[in-house]
Amino acid sequence: DGGITQSPKYLFRKEGQNVTLSCEQNLNHDAMYWYRQDPGQGLRLIYYSQIVNDFQKGDIAEGYSVSREKKESFPLTVTSAQKNPTAFYLCASSTRTGSDYGYTFGSGTRLTVV
Amino acid sequence: DAKTTQPPSMDCAEGRAANLPCNHSTISGNEYVYWYRQIHSQGPQYIIHGLKNNETNEMASLIITEDRKSSTLILPHATLRDTAVYYCIVRAINTGTASKLTFGTGTRLQVTL
Repeated sequence: DGGITQSPKYLFRKEGQNVTLSCEQNLNHDAMYWYRQDPGQGLRLIYYSQIVNDFQKGDIAEGYSVSREKKESFPLTVTSAQKNPTAFYLCASSTRTGSDYGYTFGSGTRLTVV
Repeated sequence: DAKTTQPPSMDCAEGRAANLPCNHSTISGNEYVYWYRQIHSQGPQYIIHGLKNNETNEMASLIITEDRKSSTLILPHATLRDTAVYYCIVRAINTGTASKLTFGTGTRLQVTL
C-alpha cells in the first residue's frame, strides 16, 4: 500500500546534538512538507519542497535543515541551534497541481531532548 | 490562504450526529474547504473537501453555505472512535504549484457514552 513512513517513532537527543528525522513516501507525490506540533497546539510549517533539489522555508525554519535529493525522501535535521526541539514532528506529501485529496501524513516522530 | 475560525471544543453523545462549524469569511473563489482530523499522537487524516456544493463520502458530509463564508462538517452517527481534533482548512488548488496547508488549533470533539 502507498503511504508515508516516518522513522523513528520516538527519538531522544542530548542537548547540543544534531539529529535527523526520516520521511519516505511511495505515493509518487511531488511535494513534501515538515510540520512541528507542540502539546495542545496546531501544526506549524517548518520546510516544504515542491520538486527534487528545491525547498522553501516555512514559518519556523530556524534551527532546522532539509534536503530533497530524491523524490521519495525528505529528511529533516534538527540542529543544535534549535532552542526548543522537543515536539511531535509530522511529515506530509501531496500532488503538486490539480484537484486532489490534500495531504497524506505520516504517523509522526516524537523528539525529546534529554 | 484564508484563515478559519472554529470553536475550541464540542461534546457529542455516541450515536448522535456531530455538527462541527467553521467560519471562513475571507475565502477566495479558488479556495476549497478541507477537513482533517487528528487522533491523539497520530498524523492528521483527510476527511472531505469541497468548493461550493455539499459533499458526502463514507466518513462525513460537508455543508457549505451559499456565500461560502462558513461550512459544517457532519458526522452522522458519532462513535467513540471519532473523538479527535478536527481541523477546517481552506486551500487554493489548480494554481500550478502545491499550496501549503495552514492549520489552526481546530475543534476538539469528545464523543461520550
